[in-house]
Amino acid sequence: EPEVTQTPSHQVTQMGQEVILRCVPISNHLYFYWYRQILGQKVEFLVSFYNNEISEKSEIFDDQFSVERPDGSNFTLKIRSTKLEDSAMYFCASSELGQLYEQYFGPGTRLTVT
Amino acid sequence: DAKTTQPPSMDCAEGRAANLPCNHSTISGNEYVYWYRQIHSQGPQYIIHGLKNNETNEMASLIITEDRKSSTLILPHATLRDTAVYYCIVIGSSYKLIFGSGTRLLVRP
Repeated sequence: EPEVTQTPSHQVTQMGQEVILRCVPISNHLYFYWYRQILGQKVEFLVSFYNNEISEKSEIFDDQFSVERPDGSNFTLKIRSTKLEDSAMYFCASSELGQLYEQYFGPGTRLTVT
Repeated sequence: DAKTTQPPSMDCAEGRAANLPCNHSTISGNEYVYWYRQIHSQGPQYIIHGLKNNETNEMASLIITEDRKSSTLILPHATLRDTAVYYCIVIGSSYKLIFGSGTRLLVRP
């Protein structure tokens, strides 16, 4: 069964450093998403992406964040200058064009900012 | 998108049916009810969705009341692996999923 993969599984970085989280969505999916979950809190939407453009973004997704589909398979989330409060589990998800709400999530990347 | 209310926790015995309720009294006519679950710290997993008819798939059944103000997710024969947080999400115009606190289901051996 096809699945969304994410790398790395755990990333430790120092405050102020840039990080790139990587995702490989399911191959025939055209919508891509990033969510995050701070430890013990709710899963929060960050951004959705379609046709090489951001479709929607939340208030959390400020200028420190960016997304990119650098090639036909990868989807990345970049945080330019990490803050302690960026420590969270980051989930990538993807969905088919006709099934936008059936989102398939990856296993997540645990980001720890020290 | 309509707000949902779910009990914070429930438990059931392994092998028995787990019935998870969700209240969405402000749902409008074109909004769907979606159910996801999150096992431990894994990524959320899609379970099932419906508009007004009852739905069944290999994972679960979804019963939506006639007035659509509430729904129940049924796991017919719960196993230990079904222990998870279950989220009821009402979706209308936006493509994003808005997760609440969900119901923490504990399946007891």
